[in-house]
Amino acid sequence: DSGVTQTPKHLITATGQRVTLRCSPRSGDLSVYWYQQSLDQGLQFLIQYYNGEERAKGNILERFSAQQFPDLHSELNLSSLELGDSALYFCASSVTGGLYTDTQYFGPGTRLTVL
Amino acid sequence: AQTVTQSQPEMSVQEAETVTLSCTYDTSESDYYLFWYKQPPSRQMILVIRQEAYKQQNATENRFSVNFQKAAKSFSLKISDSQLGDAAMYFCAYRLIQGAQKLVFGQGTRLTINP
Repeated sequence: DSGVTQTPKHLITATGQRVTLRCSPRSGDLSVYWYQQSLDQGLQFLIQYYNGEERAKGNILERFSAQQFPDLHSELNLSSLELGDSALYFCASSVTGGLYTDTQYFGPGTRLTVL
Repeated sequence: AQTVTQSQPEMSVQEAETVTLSCTYDTSESDYYLFWYKQPPSRQMILVIRQEAYKQQNATENRFSVNFQKAAKSFSLKISDSQLGDAAMYFCAYRLIQGAQKLVFGQGTRLTINP
């Protein structure tokens, strides 16, 4: 158990819908990262937050957005869902998000199925 | 842009034998980290081992060790005394030490352990 929690574990929804994925980082970690794992794209970085502020953006679609709250949990919002958005979404956390010895620890993931 | 390549989609090894998984990467940076993550059937991403590029000594964690060849941009993982619990997808990943903190992953190698 990495100490990173993600809810829900599974999510099944229809095209055009909107969903919210939730992540709680390890105790003491200030930085949260979101990754998408799909069959065709592999594991891709989406976005990073550090202590409530957006730190870095990757291949995140405009239909997707994220935020980190004062208690440091994070939410990834996916809207106007398409079949191709079906994937495993991981949250990872690290202590600082920038220092030399920072290691990212991953949550168990949320499996999203868009029908 | 940094890229990570794992040229072996699948590997298999007999229980108690040794296996080596290959990884190459492309970067123009001199300071970075390299990682091996394991993803068992549970889909959890588990950190196996980490190597700092500025360290010449190869990292070792129990039965897991790496062969880091910086000039060749090669980072292979050796698993000694393979166990059934080692069966998983293994991902090689790269991360800058400073700047963008995203992990860049390879495509993965599926390792099967034969009893």
